Amino acid sequence: AQKVTQAQTEISVVEKEDVTLDCVYETRDTTYYLFWYKQPPSGELVFLIRRNSFDEQNEISGRYSWNFQKSTSSFNFTITASQVVDSAVYFCALSDRNFNKFYFGSGTKLNVKP
Amino acid sequence: EAQVTQNPRYLITVTGKKLTVTCSQNMNHEYMSWYRQDPGLGLRQIYYSMNVEATDKGDVPEGYKVSRKEKRNFPLILESPSPNQTSLYFCASRLAGVYNEQFFGPGTRLTVL
Repeated sequence: AQKVTQAQTEISVVEKEDVTLDCVYETRDTTYYLFWYKQPPSGELVFLIRRNSFDEQNEISGRYSWNFQKSTSSFNFTITASQVVDSAVYFCALSDRNFNKFYFGSGTKLNVKP
Repeated sequence: EAQVTQNPRYLITVTGKKLTVTCSQNMNHEYMSWYRQDPGLGLRQIYYSMNVEATDKGDVPEGYKVSRKEKRNFPLILESPSPNQTSLYFCASRLAGVYNEQFFGPGTRLTVL
């Protein structure tokens, strides 16, 4: 069965600290996709990144970086030099090979204090 | 403006009173999906639709119905709502095929008393 686990329920950091959000997934599929979404206090869901199961290259986008390791079934998200605007709930998600069925983790609430 | 709209945004109802939450998109997307978000559980997929007249169950379909008679609309129907369906509901849509980002609606907060 597919499953996504985000063990960190809530994390608090002070602005400019680096923070890593953990995501562990389970799937029997050989082809699958992993995602991160951001849900700011306003409530909308914002797509951050997609990664397919054959691409284990790490990705960096500005202050954001993602580390995908198939060996440990993890897809972790690091924010460097966090800012107050990064305060949000972050969801990791897994989809099947057809992009039809999606499985979300329970989310990690990140509080960045000034 | 390209968007996914949901109506109503907020709804308080009573057990057993049938209701429909509408979802509409103006991007000509083939795929649409419904999720519910609950504290500690994240988002869970209820139903999805690959195109008109093509729907399938997600992870938590019990107690819900959907239909896809037109490409732009994907209503979520609760025939007999119960308090355990109190939740925040999101509709999403995307173009067919992989690598196409899912666009989410603003959410509908439903309370069933």
